[in-house]
Amino acid sequence: DTGVSQDPRHKITKRGQNVTFRCDPISEHNRLYWYRQTLGQGPEFLTYFQNEAQLEKSRLLSDRFSAERPKGSFSTLEIQRTEQGDSAMYLCASSLSPGLSGYTFGSGTRLTVV
Amino acid sequence: SQQGEEDPQALSIQEGENATMNCSYKTSINNLQWYRQNSGRGLVHLILIRSNEREKHSGRLRVTLDTSKKSSSLLITASRAADTASYFCATGEIQGAQKLVFGQGTRLTINP
Repeated sequence: DTGVSQDPRHKITKRGQNVTFRCDPISEHNRLYWYRQTLGQGPEFLTYFQNEAQLEKSRLLSDRFSAERPKGSFSTLEIQRTEQGDSAMYLCASSLSPGLSGYTFGSGTRLTVV
Repeated sequence: SQQGEEDPQALSIQEGENATMNCSYKTSINNLQWYRQNSGRGLVHLILIRSNEREKHSGRLRVTLDTSKKSSSLLITASRAADTASYFCATGEIQGAQKLVFGQGTRLTINP
């Protein structure tokens, strides 16, 4: 197991385009989280999956954002009609027992909207 | 919204010295975790302390938790150049998603 993988590492897109990011969690982890981090700030929670069910979404997740986790394995985060304010690092994390062993984060996808 | 405040925002010390970072938070927690982030990379889990614990050690790391003051500290002893990174505290929710709420981080620079 090589940890949490995110793809792509970097994405530059023009304003108004749609983008999709992928996260492959640690295989035995049933919990998957997406966070967004802007420069100089700590990560902010976006959404949470337990297996295939999306159980919580932040108010930060506008209607232009959608996330899925089909079959409870990998997850995708799509942003439609990107805006410059969407530029950030998008981090995925997975966990089996977050209250005991914490999260494992991926290396993130850095999105730049031009 | 972010849960806590971290202090200092930036810290620069000489290699071999100890580094202390502080974190305060606002709500009741299940646990508090510290993470390290190298520039442009993901976060690495360092240590987790549960709300009923007061102190925890892991190698050169020592974490304390004072739930009455809603504060925690991370001590890195005998610092090395490789410890240069941003350090974040994050509080774990008691129920539900058990998501983490992060502070703004402390940028630590170890000078050789």
